[in-house]
Amino acid sequence: GAVVSQHPSRVICKSGTSVKIECRSLDFQATTMFWYRQFPKKSLMLMATSNEGSKATYEQGVEKDKFLINHASLTLSTLTVTSAHPEDSSFYICSAPRAGTSGRNTGELFFGEGSRLTVL
Amino acid sequence: AQKITQTQPGMFVQEKEAVTLDCTYDTSDPSYGLFWYKQPSSGEMIFLIYQGSYDQQNATEGRYSLNFQKARKSANLVISASQLGDSAMYFCAMRVLFGNEKLTFGTGTRLTIIP
Repeated sequence: GAVVSQHPSRVICKSGTSVKIECRSLDFQATTMFWYRQFPKKSLMLMATSNEGSKATYEQGVEKDKFLINHASLTLSTLTVTSAHPEDSSFYICSAPRAGTSGRNTGELFFGEGSRLTVL
Repeated sequence: AQKITQTQPGMFVQEKEAVTLDCTYDTSDPSYGLFWYKQPSSGEMIFLIYQGSYDQQNATEGRYSLNFQKARKSANLVISASQLGDSAMYFCAMRVLFGNEKLTFGTGTRLTIIP
């Protein structure tokens, strides 16, 4: 079963509104979570690293005020797209590392199901 | 900085045949991990296989194996006895082992299995 859950899976909003996407680790604690953005038929681009108890670390070119990240607890990170515009329409996907899986620390990242945002 | 290159944007393979998806990487860090993920049309990222830079043997997971050639900096994914359900996007990714655990992804290969 899923170990990282993302909600909502699909959201349609009007231009100018804000949208919040949640990412939860279900059976482990995640002090770090990663937020990716994927354009159609393109690769995943890291937007930011969400850190529990401290500010998120944004990748170059990502607007901090546009994409607000809050790591509220050890199992929850949220991404808020503020004042959304049609160009923000994309597939957003989060991931969280869980070390020590099956006795082998691969540092495997577990991904959420993704959230498809459409801004009208 | 790390870089992943996948040179095959799309591949068509007959069902039950084996297929190799190419991946080359570049990093100056000696400790790294290589990953392959499958992304079906639903969008979820499904972990397939992992290879550590210090692993002596090539990783295998069921029908998936990773052909790791460290000197050539390649980490090709081999899928044996392909099935229709293998049709999806496949991403190669890497990260350094000590430090930030963020993954760097390649551009992906769209695999289509032909019945």
